[in-house]
Amino acid sequence: EVQLVESGGGLVKPGASLKLSCVASGFTFSDYWMSWVRQTPGKTMEWIGDIKYDGSYTNYAPSLKNRFTISRDNAKSTLYLQMSNVRSEDTATYYCTRYNGWFAYWGQGTLVTVSS
Amino acid sequence: DTVLTQSPALAVSPGERVTISCKASESVSTRMHWYQQKPGQQPKLLIYKASNLASGVPARFSGSGSGTDFTLTIDPVEADDTATYFCQQSWNGPNTFGAGTKLELK
Repeated sequence: EVQLVESGGGLVKPGASLKLSCVASGFTFSDYWMSWVRQTPGKTMEWIGDIKYDGSYTNYAPSLKNRFTISRDNAKSTLYLQMSNVRSEDTATYYCTRYNGWFAYWGQGTLVTVSS
Repeated sequence: DTVLTQSPALAVSPGERVTISCKASESVSTRMHWYQQKPGQQPKLLIYKASNLASGVPARFSGSGSGTDFTLTIDPVEADDTATYFCQQSWNGPNTFGAGTKLELK
């Protein structure tokens, strides 16, 4: 069974940095592209970016590429999202997904709240 | 970016047939995908590439369309189908999502 478990969310102040993690199981992690998607409190879904199976290529939403970085550790079957200089509009639930050109599997999400 | 437009809400009775539409601002070929999100849960893939049923999804769900107009059909609707349904395109530039259609059962 495919499982994706995110962690690292919480309350963070504007301008701070935060790193989210996603541990994958139930499939060969190093064979798949992975993505992060976020959902705002108003339920708007936004694709953040994705990373190639070997970590050699990343692709980001243009509005986020200067502040967000996606990486992976295939030895640990773990996906990461480094967020920097966070803003109130980054408040959302962040989902880790397995990406096939569509988001085939989703984790349960981790909530990030940006507030002073 | 490609904008996807969905009706905000629908209400149907169990046993009926329901169609949920998604209109793209430009052609996305058949790279349209559909997700179901129940309250308090993560989204779940239903349909990929316009008409392909994802693994484990009941045959009551089907998808159709190409270009700019797409439809998700549930026939017959069951009480457990109460959820928000999102479309997503992966043909043009960044992946984009529709705002979702909330399906309520009468």
